[in-house]
Amino acid sequence: DAGVIQSPRHEVTEMGQEVTLRCKPISGHNSLFWYRQTMMRGLELLIYFNNNVPIDDSGMPEDRFSAKMPNASFSTLKIQPSEPRDSAVYFCASRPDGSYGYTFGSGTRLTVV
Amino acid sequence: AQTVTQSQPEMSVQEAETVTLSCTYDTSENNYYLFWYKQPPSRQMILVIRQEAYKQQNATENRFSVNFQKAAKSFSLKISDSQLGDTAMYFCAFMNRNAGNMLTFGGGTRLMVKP
Repeated sequence: DAGVIQSPRHEVTEMGQEVTLRCKPISGHNSLFWYRQTMMRGLELLIYFNNNVPIDDSGMPEDRFSAKMPNASFSTLKIQPSEPRDSAVYFCASRPDGSYGYTFGSGTRLTVV
Repeated sequence: AQTVTQSQPEMSVQEAETVTLSCTYDTSENNYYLFWYKQPPSRQMILVIRQEAYKQQNATENRFSVNFQKAAKSFSLKISDSQLGDTAMYFCAFMNRNAGNMLTFGGGTRLMVKP
């Protein structure tokens, strides 16, 4: 298995632009998580899906952020419009139901200038 | 809600020596797991070791072991015979088994192993 695949690995965009981050979880993993990592706030959970349904989005910082999981093999995190304070590394992780074993993707480093 | 605190932002250790990273957590739950993750410069999050709260015996994985003090809500990581490849950020994490198995992370400790 190729693991959790995130794209792009790096993204540089201008303030005000729309940004879409993508994630392909491991096949058979029912749960998918989006985390954001910054120096100031560490690793924060943004949203959690189970069987493609958003279960907890309390960590989504504001309405500019949205996440979707149209099917079991794909999820997106969208920021519109982007702001410099959104600059961070965004991780996607997946896990099978009932397991403690998270698998993280390699992350997307987002820079908003 | 759970909180995880790592009080040591940075640590260093000489190669082949032993180092202990601290972690405390706050929860009212009884059914939980604790983890240590390693994040090298490659950014990949790598599971180092896990501990089930119901187990009294401390977990060990080769050169890595934990000191789990449930009453004190403390979960430290000991790295023995430190190697240059151990240089990384280390994150302590809490998983509430009664709430979707979501991970809550501490702020991290940057460990530098010196030759």
